[in-house]
Order: sequence, then structure tokens, then C-alpha cells
Amino acid sequence: AQSVTQPDIHITVSEGASLELRCNYSYGATPYLFWYVQSPGQGLQLLLKYFSGDTLVQGIKGFEAEFKRSQSSFNLRKPSVHWSDAAEYFCAAPNYGGSQGNLIFGKGTKLSVKP
Amino acid sequence: DGGITQSPKYLFRKEGQNVTLSCEQNLNHDAMYWYRQDPGQGLRLIYYSQIVNDFQKGDIAEGYSVSREKKESFPLTVTSAQKNPTAFYLCASRSSTWQGFVTGELFFGEGSRLTVL
Repeated sequence: AQSVTQPDIHITVSEGASLELRCNYSYGATPYLFWYVQSPGQGLQLLLKYFSGDTLVQGIKGFEAEFKRSQSSFNLRKPSVHWSDAAEYFCAAPNYGGSQGNLIFGKGTKLSVKP
Repeated sequence: DGGITQSPKYLFRKEGQNVTLSCEQNLNHDAMYWYRQDPGQGLRLIYYSQIVNDFQKGDIAEGYSVSREKKESFPLTVTSAQKNPTAFYLCASRSSTWQGFVTGELFFGEGSRLTVL
């Protein structure tokens, strides 16, 4: 069955340090892939998406993600984290298993930023 | 600007009461979704609607009901049959374009937090 896995539940980084959040997918073919961010008490905002083509995707707020077919991964990166990046991050891919036409989400990674 | 509006932002309910969460969109999207979010459990699909006057159960529909009388509106009722309704509820929609259907990209509202007293 198709799935999206985020291995890290909670990550803490120092402000100014680099960040990498992991996402693995289990699909038969190359899926479309998304990263969303959620600030506390807010809805989900799209950070970036991979549809096809260049495997390095740029998003908003200085984030980027790299699609690696050989590793079935779509990791999110940022070179220098700001305190305002503290939030929960969700990786997602289409739900091809049913008629919903929606996305399957990983369980999320909560990012804390130390001053 | 187009978007999805959820109301109320915060809602308190006594046990045994039904409550309705509003979701309105002006994106001209056909498909709309309701998700429930609990800490550590990610997003779980409650109900979805691909078109007006039609809706389907998601993974955790028990204790919930919906209607889709207008394209713009997809209200969710949390009934007294829902055993543990305290949660954060998110409404989303999907573009009606071919790309929207194939990719599944979702647009979200700001959420409603329901607390049972």
C-alpha cells in the first residue's frame, strides 16, 4: 500500500544551523510530492511541491527539497534556520488507492528552534 | 483574494450537543475535504465531496455528518455520537483542473479547534 513516512517526530536545531527533515514514500511509480508547514493553531501552508523535471525544488521561506528516486526520499532542507521556522512540517503524496483524489500525509515532524 | 474560510476558530461544546463547523471557499473548487488532527496522529480524513450534492465517508466518519448544497460550502456537524470530539478540524479543497485532480494538491483553511467541556 502507498505510504508517506516521516521518521522524525521532533527535531530541535539552533538558530542559524542547517536543517534537514526526512520524508520517505512507498509508491510504485514516481509520485507527486509536497511539503506543507503548520504553525501552532493554524492551517497547512504549501511550502513546495515536486511534479516532474528538476529533482531540486525551491519553495517559499528559503526552503528546498530534493527528490531522490533511488532512496524513495523527498527531504526538506534549509541552510540557516530562523526562530520563525518553528512549526510542524508535513510531507504528502497523492492517494491513488481510492476515489478521494486527496493526499496522504506523513505524521509530521515538529521543529523546535533554540536561540 | 481567494481562499478557504473556517468558522468559528474556537468552539466549546457540552457533552451531548451537536455542533456545526463552517467551511466556505471562493476558489471555485469542486472537491472539498474535512480532516481531523490530533497530536502525533497526523491528518485523518473524515468526509469528502467531489461535487455538489454528493459526499463520501472518509476513514473516520463515525459521529460526523456533512452536507454539500452549494459548491462554496461544506459544513461539518460533530454529533453527540462522536465519542471523543475534542480536536483540531481542517477543511481543504482541491482544484478542478486536470493537474489538481492528478496531483491531489490541497488548499487548507485556518482550522477550527473544538473542545468538549
